[in-house]
Amino acid sequence: GDSVTQMEGPVTLSEEAFLTINCTYTATGYPSLFWYVQYPGEGLQLLLKATKADDKGSNKGFEATYRKETTSFHLEKGSVQVSDSAVYFCALATGGGNKLTFGTGTQLKVEL
Amino acid sequence: EAEVAQSPRYKITEKSQAVAFWCDPISGHATLYWYRQILGQGPELLVQFQDESVVDDSQLPKDRFSAERLKGVDSTLKIQPAELGDSAMYLCATSMRSRRGEQYFGPGTRLTVT
Repeated sequence: GDSVTQMEGPVTLSEEAFLTINCTYTATGYPSLFWYVQYPGEGLQLLLKATKADDKGSNKGFEATYRKETTSFHLEKGSVQVSDSAVYFCALATGGGNKLTFGTGTQLKVEL
Repeated sequence: EAEVAQSPRYKITEKSQAVAFWCDPISGHATLYWYRQILGQGPELLVQFQDESVVDDSQLPKDRFSAERLKGVDSTLKIQPAELGDSAMYLCATSMRSRRGEQYFGPGTRLTVT
């Protein structure tokens, strides 16, 4: 079945550091890939998406590239802020429906 | 900006009691999902509705969980009887029919079973 594997957290960074959160997937067919973010006390929010190989999704300074050859969708940001502290979930959707399969989440803590 | 509403935000109940959660979707969103999120894990789909019809309830423990979406708008998820292992965050999400994988989540209901 479909699955998503994320690097374990927490990831602790200083403000303005470079961020990478690794995500790899296993899926039948051609999945769409997503990063969702969950800020403390809030529901999940869509951060960015990519629907086909070599697509790059980007939003709020974050970006991720759909790599079919390595089945990966790593999240990157050049300079993190304290306000980026949250849990980040990688997810995929396959088939004609909208069903999402999530990874376990990676907590990011950004310190001054 | 339109949001998915859920209530209650927090619920504490004793095992063997009944509990219910409510979700009000964004207007016009035909698809509604209930997820369970155990602490430290990603959300897992319990049930998916398209309008008022269930399209996927393969992971719903049907001996104790039930869900309905009368009139294809708001939805209720019920657990009866609750067990200690049901302690988790219950998330409702909705989406438009055409937007694959793009879901809008409510704030969730944190359930604690004692």
